[in-house]
Amino acid sequence: KQEVTQIPAALSVPEGENLVLNCSFTDSAIYNLQWFRQDPGKGLTSLLLIQSSQREQTSGRLNASLDKSSGRSTLYIAASQPGDSATYLCAASLNQAGTALIFGKGTTLSVSS
Amino acid sequence: GAVVSQHPSWVICKSGTSVKIECRSLDFQATTMFWYRQFPKQSLMLMATSNEGSKATYEQGVEKDKFLINHASLTLSTLTVTSAHPEDSSFYICSSRRGTEAFFGQGTRLTVV
Repeated sequence: KQEVTQIPAALSVPEGENLVLNCSFTDSAIYNLQWFRQDPGKGLTSLLLIQSSQREQTSGRLNASLDKSSGRSTLYIAASQPGDSATYLCAASLNQAGTALIFGKGTTLSVSS
Repeated sequence: GAVVSQHPSWVICKSGTSVKIECRSLDFQATTMFWYRQFPKQSLMLMATSNEGSKATYEQGVEKDKFLINHASLTLSTLTVTSAHPEDSSFYICSSRRGTEAFFGQGTRLTVV
């Protein structure tokens, strides 16, 4: 059974700092991995999607990597801003595109100005 | 990106009443819709998978007679929480996939008093 773990559970950093969020999964046979942002009481915003054949994806100040063999993904946020404060969730999709995502519990990020 | 619209964003209901949550795909046809539930400080947990024109598939431990799912068209899926109780208070969120990427509704905060 696929399990997704995210560490740390919470992270506080000063504005401008670069940071890394970690995500690990137990079954390397994933279809893809997706990173989301969730603001309090809100839905999910897709940040980056990494297909199983890819090593990384970049969007602006965000960079996500994927290492299937070790069961790990990282989300790198450069030059953090207070507006980046949110909960970041990673989710693994199993081998078939029609299956649901399996989520980690998330990392709650707080960026202070 | 694809848009999934969920309504209402929040609802307060009395114990014993029923609540319907709607989820619409606005710019693509959603053959499959996933319904998740999220308790405070917990991750999203899949409740059920609905497929257009057929019966929904429920995850273990989710009562199908309590959480009625209807997916009558390719753009609309509904979740009805019947005879709601305070323990059903949670954040409910729908999702569908366009290609390999998952998109989520805004979520519905249900409070049963």
